[in-house]
Amino acid sequence: AQTVTQSQPEMSVQEAETVTLSCTYDTSESDYYLFWYKQPPSRQMILVIRQEAYKQQNATENRFSVNFQKAAKSFSLKISDSQLGDAAMYFCAYRSSQGAQKLVFGQGTRLTINP
Amino acid sequence: DVKVTQSSRYLVKRTGEKVFLECVQDMDHENMFWYRQDPGLGLRLIYFSYDVKMKEKGDIPEGYSVSREKKERFSLILESASTNQTSMYLCASSLGRTGVYGNQPQHFGDGTRLSIL
Repeated sequence: AQTVTQSQPEMSVQEAETVTLSCTYDTSESDYYLFWYKQPPSRQMILVIRQEAYKQQNATENRFSVNFQKAAKSFSLKISDSQLGDAAMYFCAYRSSQGAQKLVFGQGTRLTINP
Repeated sequence: DVKVTQSSRYLVKRTGEKVFLECVQDMDHENMFWYRQDPGLGLRLIYFSYDVKMKEKGDIPEGYSVSREKKERFSLILESASTNQTSMYLCASSLGRTGVYGNQPQHFGDGTRLSIL
């Protein structure tokens, strides 16, 4: 079974600076999908960014980018120019390319933005 | 935009009660999911469904059942609520089966914070 590990329960960053959230996963599959979700205090989970394992190029979405290291099974999220609205729980998630679209989530990282 | 609506934002029930959590999505998605969220554990999958009347167990199905009589509605049932089922429950939906729709994200509701006294 696949597992996802986020080793940083909490992180904090100064507004306008850059922060990197770590995620590692364990799988024997070669094709899969990885996601970062954000859960603000309002509670609704919002997709931040996604990565297909077959793509070597790292995904980017505005201030959010990933560092996908397939051999190391690492999928970190970099937030540039941090803003107060980025404060949230961030979850890394894995989905197999086969079968049902189940997501396996990490434990989450609570990100605090200091003004 | 996809809208996933959970019937209650907060719910308080008593031990032994039968509890129903309802979830409705408005985008004709085939897949629907129920997760449980606990601090330090992330989200864990309880049950999911990829079609009407179809259901599959997730990682922690014990003490729960589900019902999907219509495509847009997926219900989570706590047959006899216990205090260890106090948690946040999140419903999600997504489009199609893996393959063609592999990278499609799941869309989540706002969650139901359930307390069992």
